[in-house]
Amino acid sequence: DQQVKQNSPSLSVQEGRISILNCDYTNSMFDYFLWYKKYPAEGPTFLISISSIKDKNEDGRFTVFLNKSAKHLSLHIVPSQPGDSAVYFCAASDYNDYKLSFGAGTTVTVRA
Amino acid sequence: DADVTQTPRNRITKTGKRIMLECSQTKGHDRMYWYRQDPGLGLRLIYYSFDVKDINKGEISDGYSVSRQAQAKFSLSLESAIPNQTALYFCATSEARGNGGYTFGSGTRLTVV
Repeated sequence: DQQVKQNSPSLSVQEGRISILNCDYTNSMFDYFLWYKKYPAEGPTFLISISSIKDKNEDGRFTVFLNKSAKHLSLHIVPSQPGDSAVYFCAASDYNDYKLSFGAGTTVTVRA
Repeated sequence: DADVTQTPRNRITKTGKRIMLECSQTKGHDRMYWYRQDPGLGLRLIYYSFDVKDINKGEISDGYSVSRQAQAKFSLSLESAIPNQTALYFCATSEARGNGGYTFGSGTRLTVV
């Protein structure tokens, strides 16, 4: 039973607009959350993280929001660029145990 | 050179054959992991090792075994490959605490026919 769920398999967005990716989790022990980006024929690369003591973390065009009560997090990409076209995985863990559980991924396509 | 190197990159093998996937890292991390990626399922943890003497099963370890030969090397074996083990396999490393995420290799695409 997947503990991390990404219910949108794909997202298409116009260049320059905002991309919003969503992720839900079920394990209340999770207190560390990450987003990874994956291009074809490459391994996932770390994008941004957030711990449960925060509700927002920002890094350039990428912002992650955490709603602990709803067990929900989202990734905002503003503005979206063609190079952002990739698969995005949401991941979560207990900070001390640090075994990541991943969602199924969302494929983002940025249209010119 | 890549921080995490996986060999081979692609492999086709027959049902019932034993196969080993290898992973080496230059990050100096103690923790290493093996995941498999399947469409619609994301990445699932097969085995993980927090140091050379520590090996642990993940959520889908049946049919797999691992060997941690050194801090830098972590191998995954399929003792008798079956078609539903066809997948993309990733090795990853990390620091002890959740700081900066995992570093993944480029993956091994395994096809069992």
